Amino acid sequence: NAGVTQTPKFRILKIGQSMTLQCAQDMNHNYMYWYRQDPGMGLKLIYYSVGAGITDKGEVPNGYNVSRSTTEYFPLRLELAAPSQTSVYFCASRTEQGLNSPLHFGNGTRLTVT
Amino acid sequence: AQKITQTQPGMFVQEKEAVTLDCTYDTSDQSYGLFWYKQPSSGEMIFLIYQGSYDEQNATEGRYSLNFQKARKSANLVISASQLGDSAMYFCAMRVDRDDKIIFGKGTRLHILP
Repeated sequence: NAGVTQTPKFRILKIGQSMTLQCAQDMNHNYMYWYRQDPGMGLKLIYYSVGAGITDKGEVPNGYNVSRSTTEYFPLRLELAAPSQTSVYFCASRTEQGLNSPLHFGNGTRLTVT
Repeated sequence: AQKITQTQPGMFVQEKEAVTLDCTYDTSDQSYGLFWYKQPSSGEMIFLIYQGSYDEQNATEGRYSLNFQKARKSANLVISASQLGDSAMYFCAMRVDRDDKIIFGKGTRLHILP
């Protein structure tokens, strides 16, 4: 009963490096989301996807890219990491049925860029 | 554009007392859903309760209830008989029916005192 799985749990990057944050869900949810959480700032939406092959920008997409080739996976790519991208990143998914479908979250990836 | 405002950065409450966490929202849409999530110190995000804009009754889930005042655009979370395990960050979130984005407030950190 895995739900939403994020890897890695922790990562330290040097400025300018790139990495991919992995997110997988086994609930056959079409809707997937990436958020970042900065202290005192709540969760900000980076990108989201309503199904395989479809992605859209959220509130803070600059510096990130996503792809959704399958229903299960929704990786988040950081190109040229910057200290401003130091944050905790959450992946989440939900069913498409009804306004009341809540988000199911992964456990997060804590990223530090130095 | 939609907006969620949580004006209480932190609250201290004595154990066994009831506590109200404030959430106001802004949208011009008529059909929307409001969610509350809990984030303990371990970091995971836990869905607590949902309120739909057309729901005639306030939502309840165990010790959690939602004080929904549509005209005032507020959806306050009420926790009855607070417990030490209620100490956590609490986030209010919203999705409007015609959109797939889910936006969050900045959160309120609740401390339950023994």
